[in-house]
Amino acid sequence: NAGVTQTPKFQVLKTGQSMTLQCAQDMNHEYMSWYRQDPGMGLRLIHYSVGAGITDQGEVPNGYNVSRSTTEDFPLRLLSAAPSQTSVYFCASSPGQAYPGELFFGEGSRLTVL
Amino acid sequence: EDKVVQSPLSLVVHEGDTVTLNCSYEVTNFRSLLWYKQEKKAPTFLFMLTSSGIEKKSGRLSSILDKKELFSILNITATQTGDSAVYLCAVIPDFQGAQKLVFGQGTRLTINP
Repeated sequence: NAGVTQTPKFQVLKTGQSMTLQCAQDMNHEYMSWYRQDPGMGLRLIHYSVGAGITDQGEVPNGYNVSRSTTEDFPLRLLSAAPSQTSVYFCASSPGQAYPGELFFGEGSRLTVL
Repeated sequence: EDKVVQSPLSLVVHEGDTVTLNCSYEVTNFRSLLWYKQEKKAPTFLFMLTSSGIEKKSGRLSSILDKKELFSILNITATQTGDSAVYLCAVIPDFQGAQKLVFGQGTRLTINP
């Protein structure tokens, strides 16, 4: 079972470059979300989606865009990378309201911005 | 501002010991509290607690919630080296935002043989 798949696993960018972190899930989950994890700060919600065509902002959305054109895919776009966006990024999915908070995480994408 | 605080931040014990991890929270509304285990990469779900005083158990792990005092504990008995991980506590602060988890900093647990 693939579950939640994130690519790339590692990426180095220069300040000002743009890139997209890909996330795909094969569990037909309604909910998908992106978190970033920084040392000493736990996981912080960037953006989330409750279904295809619906997205909303989380706690730290600035500098990131998302879209949800299909149930399976939820890409995260960095518009103009900054060193403050150096972090580990996790995509997660969830079956929906019946299982609030029971997230299935991808293995993470480690991003370094120079 | 919704806030989740875990303690201790780091804990080192010997195999066979029992440990208690703490999670306190301040949120405007409360729906559920969740515990996750993060080994090398992806966090994995352990428990969800919604009601006070009802213990959730899974093998050597158990957890309980106190909604009056706004905290939860995660107990691990007869610890094994495979329990070494970061344990994350999270809260869902409202009924509309089932995806909007607020996480604590995590407790890094190390079990020495």
